[in-house]
Amino acid sequence: QKEVEQNSGPLSVPEGAIASLNCTYSDRGSQSFFWYRQYSGKSPELIMFIYSNGDKEDGRFTAQLNKASQYVSLLIRDSQPSDSATYLCAVNIGGGGNKLTFGTGTQLKVEL
Amino acid sequence: DAGVIQSPRHEVTEMGQEVTLRCKPISGHDYLFWYRQTMMRGLELLIYFNNNVPIDDSGMPEDRFSAKMPNASFSTLKIQPSEPRDSAVYFCAIAPRTDTQYFGPGTRLTVL
Repeated sequence: QKEVEQNSGPLSVPEGAIASLNCTYSDRGSQSFFWYRQYSGKSPELIMFIYSNGDKEDGRFTAQLNKASQYVSLLIRDSQPSDSATYLCAVNIGGGGNKLTFGTGTQLKVEL
Repeated sequence: DAGVIQSPRHEVTEMGQEVTLRCKPISGHDYLFWYRQTMMRGLELLIYFNNNVPIDDSGMPEDRFSAKMPNASFSTLKIQPSEPRDSAVYFCAIAPRTDTQYFGPGTRLTVL
């Protein structure tokens, strides 16, 4: 079992819809969780981080964390074509230090 | 790309040659990370430093890879000798005291 798992996609949603991206992790001791967006040919860009169970909202983005079920999700409301990218989930699986383990990413396509 | 300069941005070399990738953090940080990204394996952590000291190099694939951080403003990743399977995008990332990481623009390495 991979430490951080994501569906590779592509996930296709129509413009204006809600895109839901999911990530599961294996280490129950994980403390912090991150979502990065990566456009083709570019570097990963931090979108959000979440530490506590529940929801965290920032503009059109909402991160949701459920430690009991070991999943973290990212919702994108009012999806735009410019949201089309690969979304990487990253987890600090503990053990000391600031080491993040990344999932392989989910490709999102927002269609007109 | 905020806070990190990487050079070169593109490197094409022949198998057996030495390759040196450079990273210059602009802003303050406590941690510096080197990653490699390929389509097959995704984003992999190679090594990371805390206050210029290597903390975890378990991701370095072979003895052909080495990394140094002589001061807080400069780090290098060296591959000697290079092989075609080393072809990838190499990212440098920095983090302040928290575990939030910010990526540089990357170096695309092609080994022929």
